[in-house]
Amino acid sequence: DTGVSQDPRHKITKRGQNVTFRCDPISEHNRLYWYRQTLGQGPEFLTYFQNEAQLEKSRLLSDRFSAERPKGSFSTLEIQRTEQGDSAMYLCASSSSGERGNHFGPGTRLLVL
Amino acid sequence: SQQGEEDPQALSIQEGENATMNCSYKTSINNLQWYRQNSGRGLVHLILIRSNEREKHSGRLRVTLDTSKKSSSLLITASRAADTASYFCATGNSGGSNYKLTFGKGTLLTVNP
Repeated sequence: DTGVSQDPRHKITKRGQNVTFRCDPISEHNRLYWYRQTLGQGPEFLTYFQNEAQLEKSRLLSDRFSAERPKGSFSTLEIQRTEQGDSAMYLCASSSSGERGNHFGPGTRLLVL
Repeated sequence: SQQGEEDPQALSIQEGENATMNCSYKTSINNLQWYRQNSGRGLVHLILIRSNEREKHSGRLRVTLDTSKKSSSLLITASRAADTASYFCATGNSGGSNYKLTFGKGTLLTVNP
């Protein structure tokens, strides 16, 4: 069990650029989640996958955001035409079916200049 | 919107003392979870308590849940400097799975050596 990994850990970009983050969940976990956390706040739910199916998207996920999990394993989160308000920590988590806690990755910290 | 609201927002204690953090929520839940987050890092799952449970223990942690008052408490006994972190409660909805968690803003705990 190597845990949930995220790449990159840090990203600095200029406003208007596109960025893509990757999440590798724990291998046997079929559920994958993306959250966003801003300074001084708790994480906010963005989207959820069960296997390769994206089952829910938050209203926070504007048209500029897209997430995929093509083979039910790793997932990517892309932000197009980044804005300064997108600056945040993007957290990925995974879990298996059943009532167990989520395993979070270390996060990708995005700074949009 | 934040479902859970932790209280207090910040807590400073001496090593060896007990720390109690409270969480209130608004809607029906399937379970309630507590997470720890060290500065700038991902979240670590601490404990999950189901809606039909009233108390749960894990090591130095004790969690209570009062569904009639929509509140929970996390007690850390015999605190250590390494317990310094932010602590979040998160609720899993009552839709049958915990796939989406709603977090509070957290309690920042500082344990002074």
